[in-house]
Amino acid sequence: SQKIEQNSEALNIQEGKTATLTCNYTNYSPAYLQWYRQDPGRGPVFLLLIRENEKEKRKERLKVTFDTTLKQSLFHITASQPADSATYLCALPYTGFQKLVFGTGTRLLVSP
Amino acid sequence: GAGVSQSPRYKVAKRGQDVALRCDPISGHVSLFWYQQALGQGPEFLTYFQNEAQLDKSGLPSDRFFAERPEGSVSTLKIQRTQQEDSAVYLCASTPGITPQETQYFGPGTRLLVL
Repeated sequence: SQKIEQNSEALNIQEGKTATLTCNYTNYSPAYLQWYRQDPGRGPVFLLLIRENEKEKRKERLKVTFDTTLKQSLFHITASQPADSATYLCALPYTGFQKLVFGTGTRLLVSP
Repeated sequence: GAGVSQSPRYKVAKRGQDVALRCDPISGHVSLFWYQQALGQGPEFLTYFQNEAQLDKSGLPSDRFFAERPEGSVSTLKIQRTQQEDSAVYLCASTPGITPQETQYFGPGTRLLVL
């Protein structure tokens, strides 16, 4: 069955460092992958979409890579700030359908 | 409106009660999704509407769950005879069209607690 794995343990880093979050998937051949941010008590907010023919995508301090051979996406936040503290979710389209399948999310804590 | 809104934000129900959760998508958005999010987990798909048509309800966990969008805008998720395992956050999302790659815009969710 299709499965998405994100590190369930929180990632603690110091302000100014680069945070790297991992999303691994199995039994998928997704045409794209999305990353969302979720703050406590709020719904997820879209950050970036990367397509299967794109190796890397950037938006301000965010960078996403997509390796379809390794079946992995990496999400980087450079020059991290305490305001970046949140849970980050990766999501893949369920093959042939409109719906998204989400990973469990990784909580990022950026300390001043 | 400016974004997706959901009501109520919090709902406490006694086991066996029926509940109705409302979603107001962004005006003009064609597609509407419902997700269930358990504590510490990612959102899990429940059902999908394209306008008023419910095209996918494969994620509804049982026949106690029912969703509708009769006029293609506001949607209601109804849970009959609630059970403790129904306790979760219920998220609604909408997209402007029907293209799978579109960004999903989420509401703040309704936190349901069944006692």
